[in-house]
Amino acid sequence: DAKTTQPPSMDCAEGRAANLPCNHSTISGNEYVYWYRQIHSQGPQYIIHGLKNNETNEMASLIITEDRKSSTLILPHATLRDTAVYYCIVRAPTDSWGKLQFGAGTQVVVTP
Amino acid sequence: DGGITQSPKYLFRKEGQNVTLSCEQNLNHDAMYWYRQDPGQGLRLIYYSQIVNDFQKGDIAEGYSVSREKKESFPLTVTSAQKNPTAFYLCASSRGQSTNEKLFFGSGTQLSVL
Repeated sequence: DAKTTQPPSMDCAEGRAANLPCNHSTISGNEYVYWYRQIHSQGPQYIIHGLKNNETNEMASLIITEDRKSSTLILPHATLRDTAVYYCIVRAPTDSWGKLQFGAGTQVVVTP
Repeated sequence: DGGITQSPKYLFRKEGQNVTLSCEQNLNHDAMYWYRQDPGQGLRLIYYSQIVNDFQKGDIAEGYSVSREKKESFPLTVTSAQKNPTAFYLCASSRGQSTNEKLFFGSGTQLSVL
């Protein structure tokens, strides 16, 4: 069973913020939320991860709700190069990545 | 640069032929993984290895084989028993279990059947 739920697709205008939701209502206390993205015909690229505090790096911001049942990845100023499939994954430090699922993710299309 | 190198980028297989996809990492990671991706789909795990000389089947191991003789190398062989091998293959690595660590991916190999 999938541990996360994401919308299949969303569009975003170039220069605007893109807000990507992810539901993980069964998340455990020690599970982190990870975000990856995959540009067409390339390997997935790590974006950000967090446990309960909001996180920010040079690529994006991660907002995790207080109950940790959902999160939002924010791309502050989307560019055409941000067009990709975005994956949300929950993982405990003791989990093998081999036991986790990369589902269909959210296809984000940034338009001029 | 540190990272994961997959080769070749494109590979063609004839009927009944075995082909081997290369994956090399210089990140000193213990764990390595092979995934298959079909168009418009997510990633499906073929095999993974947590340590040298040990590996486990993933969700779709039939028709594939792997070896892990060296820490930095995890080649995948697509055998003739794999009847639908056309897909995008991704190799990945991580430091291992019990770590709050990221998964790193290679750039992938597109395998097609002639």
